[in-house]
Amino acid sequence: KQEVTQIPAALSVPEGENLVLNCSFTDSAIYNLQWFRQDPGKGLTSLLLIQSSQREQTSGRLNASLDKSSGRSTLYIAASQPGDSATYLCAVHGNNRLAFGKGNQVVVIP
Amino acid sequence: EAGVAQSPRYKIIEKRQSVAFWCNPISGHATLYWYQQILGQGPKLLIQFQNNGVVDDSQLPKDRFSAERLKGVDSTLKIQPAKLEDSAVYLCASSLYSGEPRGYTFGSGTRLTVV
Repeated sequence: KQEVTQIPAALSVPEGENLVLNCSFTDSAIYNLQWFRQDPGKGLTSLLLIQSSQREQTSGRLNASLDKSSGRSTLYIAASQPGDSATYLCAVHGNNRLAFGKGNQVVVIP
Repeated sequence: EAGVAQSPRYKIIEKRQSVAFWCNPISGHATLYWYQQILGQGPKLLIQFQNNGVVDDSQLPKDRFSAERLKGVDSTLKIQPAKLEDSAVYLCASSLYSGEPRGYTFGSGTRLTVV
């Protein structure tokens, strides 16, 4: 059974600092890995999708890396803004199932 | 393209009452998923449909939860009777097919409060 862990569970950073969010998973046999953003009480917004054959994906200030062999992914958010405050969820897709971590709750302080 | 539509957005019911949630996936998406997200947790898969057939319902509490996907398009998730611990956000997602490399698209969710 795939286990997904996200560290840290919560963090606060001053505006302008770079954010580093970590995700680890136990089974490296995956199709892809997806990072989502979730605002309080809302659904999930897909941020980045990394295929199992890829090492990283970039979109604007966001960059996600994937190291399948070590079972790790990292989401970098450059020059954080107060609007980046949200929960970030890592989801690993494998064996016809999407397994989620519990999320990284981020607060960016103006 | 239109996203995954869910209704209602919010629902408050008393324990032992019944409730139903509705989901309309992205047009052409064969695979539909229902997830339960309890506060502070990641989403947990309840049931997965491929067209109108059930692929995985191993984590669905079948004594009180039921789901159907008529004609392989819309889906309804029902809880009868509800318990306090069913308070959660219920998320619907769809993908072209299981294992779709472009990933899943989620709806905005239905927040259920059982009092």
